[in-house]
Amino acid sequence: DAGVIQSPRHEVTEMGQEVTLRCKPISGHDYLFWYRQTMMRGLELLIYFNNNVPIDDSGMPEDRFSAKMPNASFSTLKIQPSEPRDSAVYFCASSLGGSPAVNEQYFGPGTRLTVT
Amino acid sequence: TQLLEQSPQFLSIQEGENLTVYCNSSSVFSSLQWYRQEPGEGPVLLVTVVTGGEVKKLKRLTFQFGDARKDSSLHITAAQPGDTGLYLCAGRGYQLIWGAGTKLIIKP
Repeated sequence: DAGVIQSPRHEVTEMGQEVTLRCKPISGHDYLFWYRQTMMRGLELLIYFNNNVPIDDSGMPEDRFSAKMPNASFSTLKIQPSEPRDSAVYFCASSLGGSPAVNEQYFGPGTRLTVT
Repeated sequence: TQLLEQSPQFLSIQEGENLTVYCNSSSVFSSLQWYRQEPGEGPVLLVTVVTGGEVKKLKRLTFQFGDARKDSSLHITAAQPGDTGLYLCAGRGYQLIWGAGTKLIIKP
């Protein structure tokens, strides 16, 4: 069974450009999470969805960030316009049922974003 | 604000040595998870501890949840190069709170 799939694996873009990160969760999982990881701030939860509905977006840094989940098998995280301080590894994770804080989260391989 | 502090931030030891890393908070958590992350990959769950004082073993790894459910430790016996990675703890409060991690390097 395939795990969480993220694309692209690496993205290099110039400041001001729009960036779209994509995620396909594990089939049947009803929770989807977007995280950002940097050396300075560690792993930060940006937003999570339950049954395609955004539940908590309090971690989204600012209006330049937006996330959608149009169906159970696809989600996007968009940054527009991008800035150098957005450079980080972005992870998508999914989990099945129950409380998202108890059940195991399965992480994708991440997208390494570099904004120059 | 709930915080999880992990220590040490970085640890480099020789193969065969024992080590302990810590995850501490002033807050009480309903449960706590330990993940290991290898370079270029996402974190992978190792264990979930739920009961105060609980001890779980995973081969050479021993996890303990503090009696007051505010802290946890991970002890590795006879460390091997395959144990190298970033060890993250995550505590369940009103949401999942992540520590910054301990970067562990085991030298052959």
